[in-house]
Amino acid sequence: ETGVTQTPRHLVMGMTNKKSLKCEQHLGHNAMYWYKQSAKKPLELMFVYSLEERVENNSVPSRFSPECPNSSHLFLHLHTLQPEDSALYLCASSQDPSFPTNEKLFFGSGTQLSVL
Amino acid sequence: KNEVEQSPQNLTAQEGEFITINCSYSVGISALHWLQQHPGGGIVSLFMLSSGKKKHGRLIATINIQEKHSSLHITASHPRDSAVYICAASRADGLTFGKGTHLIIQP
Repeated sequence: ETGVTQTPRHLVMGMTNKKSLKCEQHLGHNAMYWYKQSAKKPLELMFVYSLEERVENNSVPSRFSPECPNSSHLFLHLHTLQPEDSALYLCASSQDPSFPTNEKLFFGSGTQLSVL
Repeated sequence: KNEVEQSPQNLTAQEGEFITINCSYSVGISALHWLQQHPGGGIVSLFMLSSGKKKHGRLIATINIQEKHSSLHITASHPRDSAVYICAASRADGLTFGKGTHLIIQP
């Protein structure tokens, strides 16, 4: 148990659906991250929020929309996704609010997304 | 070419063997992370180091800054060590990840 909880664990959606991924951290951390892990590829940073402000958007298509309503919660809203968006989406948090941080990241278990 | 290269990509060994996983990076870094990812998908941070050597239980991580190389060692390996081990280089634009080493320890 890392203190970072993601829901749902698995999600199957059609290309016309709208869905949201949720991440909650119980660690009192100040920064939260969304990563994408595709098969046989390295983890890719998508978004970083520090003290509830977005500080990094790594050229992510607009069909992915993040939301950080408070320091403990992070959402990733999905709409009109493509099959190539199928991947494991991982949330992480860190105590240090600065980006980039040299502190350890604490990861959730991820949401395995399949887009049909 | 990925800026962080890991070897081997896959490794199968017998229980009790000494395991070494290597990580090379091509640019200057401020720190090097080693992460463990189990089949369920969750990732655990094992080490973060910027010089020398760190040890935690049966795991040892070393880094040579001049050679831009880090190694993760597992002593007395056990089937529960089976996982994907990922190294990540911390730079000014964030973390750059390797593709991971898939380790299987057979009983």
